[in-house]
Amino acid sequence: GAGVSQSPSNKVTEKGKDVELRCDPISGHTALYWYRQSLGQGLEFLIYFQGNSAPDKSGLPSDRFSAERTGGSVSTLTIQRTQQEDSAVYLCASSLAQGANSPLHFGNGTRLTVT
Amino acid sequence: AQSVAQPEDQVNVAEGNPLTVKCTYSVSGNPYLFWYVQYPNRGLQFLLKYITGDNLVKGSYGFEAEFNKSQTSFHLKKPSALVSDSALYFCAVSHVFSGGYNKLIFGAGTRLAVHP
Repeated sequence: GAGVSQSPSNKVTEKGKDVELRCDPISGHTALYWYRQSLGQGLEFLIYFQGNSAPDKSGLPSDRFSAERTGGSVSTLTIQRTQQEDSAVYLCASSLAQGANSPLHFGNGTRLTVT
Repeated sequence: AQSVAQPEDQVNVAEGNPLTVKCTYSVSGNPYLFWYVQYPNRGLQFLLKYITGDNLVKGSYGFEAEFNKSQTSFHLKKPSALVSDSALYFCAVSHVFSGGYNKLIFGAGTRLAVHP
């Protein structure tokens, strides 16, 4: 079956521009996560959705970052006024169940480059 | 606070030899432990997990991992390495009291290079 789909796969943007990254989770997966993978920081948790609500936004680096989820499915991560330090691979993951032992299924990520 | 350490940036192994990728963790209470693999330009793929029960966990592609509570370790192993196993491996931990969801804390990753 289809896995987690992320678009675009690559995004190059100029400093100061806004970007939107999209995630389509596996059908039926209620939990959705965003992570950021960068050379200096490794894999960082950004935000967790259960359905359309985000009970844990603790990993969002600044108020320039926001995310939403609609219909319990698609999620969009928005970065406003991008900075060069935002350059990274943004990974989305979903899981079938809410529990702490439920494996995450990751998409291939969006590679964001801010010039 | 939870943390995961992968002490080796890179592990080099000859094809056919056994491999071990090391992971130690720090968490209060009982941990949930995971291994993921990442191939170039791809997302992370789940390999195996330890939740409870037998300390030796078997996963995908012939990999296994041993949970050692006294040493707070969860090393990944494979009896006979393949060139196709070359990839970036991540150990991760979550916690039974993490709010009911799987907020994974990842190690820095270990690059495995298997040479023919």
